[in-house]
This record gives sequence, C-alpha cells and structure tokens, in this order.
Amino acid sequence: AQTVTQSQPEMSVQEAETVTLSCTYDTSESNYYLFWYKQPPSRQMILVIRQEAYKQQNATENRFSVNFQKAAKSFSLKISDSQLGDTAMYFCAFMNGNAGNMLTFGGGTRLMVKP
Amino acid sequence: DGGITQSPKYLFRKEGQNVTLSCEQNLNHDAMYWYRQDPGQGLRLIYYSQIVNDFQKGDIAEGYSVSREKKESFPLTVTSAQKNPTAFYLCASSPQGVRNYEQYFGPGTRLTVT
Repeated sequence: AQTVTQSQPEMSVQEAETVTLSCTYDTSESNYYLFWYKQPPSRQMILVIRQEAYKQQNATENRFSVNFQKAAKSFSLKISDSQLGDTAMYFCAFMNGNAGNMLTFGGGTRLMVKP
Repeated sequence: DGGITQSPKYLFRKEGQNVTLSCEQNLNHDAMYWYRQDPGQGLRLIYYSQIVNDFQKGDIAEGYSVSREKKESFPLTVTSAQKNPTAFYLCASSPQGVRNYEQYFGPGTRLTVT
C-alpha cells in the first residue's frame, strides 16, 4: 500500500512571494504518477500539476512547479508570485499506474495568502 | 458543457435511513470513483468502477454500496450500517488507458446525518 505524507498542516505567505509545500510518499512501485490538487473554499477539486515518475524533468505550469526527487520519494510544490486566489487546501496525491488509476491522498496543507 | 454533476449539494437525513448520492458524467469516461472527505483531512477512496457492471471496494467501503448500470452514472448509497456517515462526498471520473489517467472531480455533496 502507498502512503502520502504532507508534514505542513498550515502555511501562510505574503502576496507576490514564493512558497513551497512539501510532500513525501512511500511506494515500491516503479510505474506511478504524482499530482497536486487545489481545493478552494468552494471545495471543488482542481488539478494544479502532475508528474510522471518516469520523467526526470520537473513539471511546470505557469506559476506552479514541482521538485521531484525520486530517490528521496519527495514531491514538493512551489508557487511563485503568490496570489490571493491561491488561498486553498492543497493535496498531494499518488497514483499507482498498475492498479486502476486510484488516487491516494495526503492529509493536505492549508495555504493562506496574505495581502 | 462536459463535466461531472453531483446532486444534491447538501443532503440531510435521520440516523437509520439509507440515502443515495447521485453522480453523473458526460465526459464518456470509463472509470468512476467515490471519495469521502472529513474535516481537515484528505480524500479516502470508497468504491471505484472501471467499466459498466463492475466495481471494486476501496479503502473504506464498509457501510456503503454502489451500482454501475450505465457508463455515465455511478450512484453511491450510504446505508444505516455506516457508523459515521456525516462527511463531504466527492465523485470523480477518468478515461482509461496508459496516457489517460487524470481524474476529474464533481462539486461534491455534503451529507449530514442526525
């Protein structure tokens, strides 16, 4: 079974600054995918970024980028130029590519962007 | 517009009653999923279905049941056997295939049982 751990229950950042959210995971699988989801107060789950384990290059989506350290089983999310609309819960998630595409979620990090 | 709908947004029931949560998708996705979210916690998988007329238990299936009679529909029944049914329930779907794995989520249903 896989486990996903987010060690920061809450974080805050000033608007326009950069923040990094941590995520570690434990698996014996070689074929897997990692995701960061955002859940704003509306509670709609929104995909922020995804990373295929077989890719060495870190994924980037506009202001969002990841630092994928496969050997360390670490998958952190960096948000640059933070905006008020980034205030949300952020969940790290693991998908075993060999097991029906189910997601295993971490406990989440609540991010507050302050003006 | 393509997407996933869940109804109702808020649902209230008395203890001891079964209740069914609706999930419909028009994305033509093969796979569908049900997750439960408790306050301040991540999502946990209840049931999933990769094809019509087939479904499997997730991590916390006890007290829940599902059906998958149509590709676009995956209703979840919370039975009276579920000890702590009050929670936020999210439905998701995804296409199948090696390169198609992203899950798309519905808006969720908040169930309160008193």
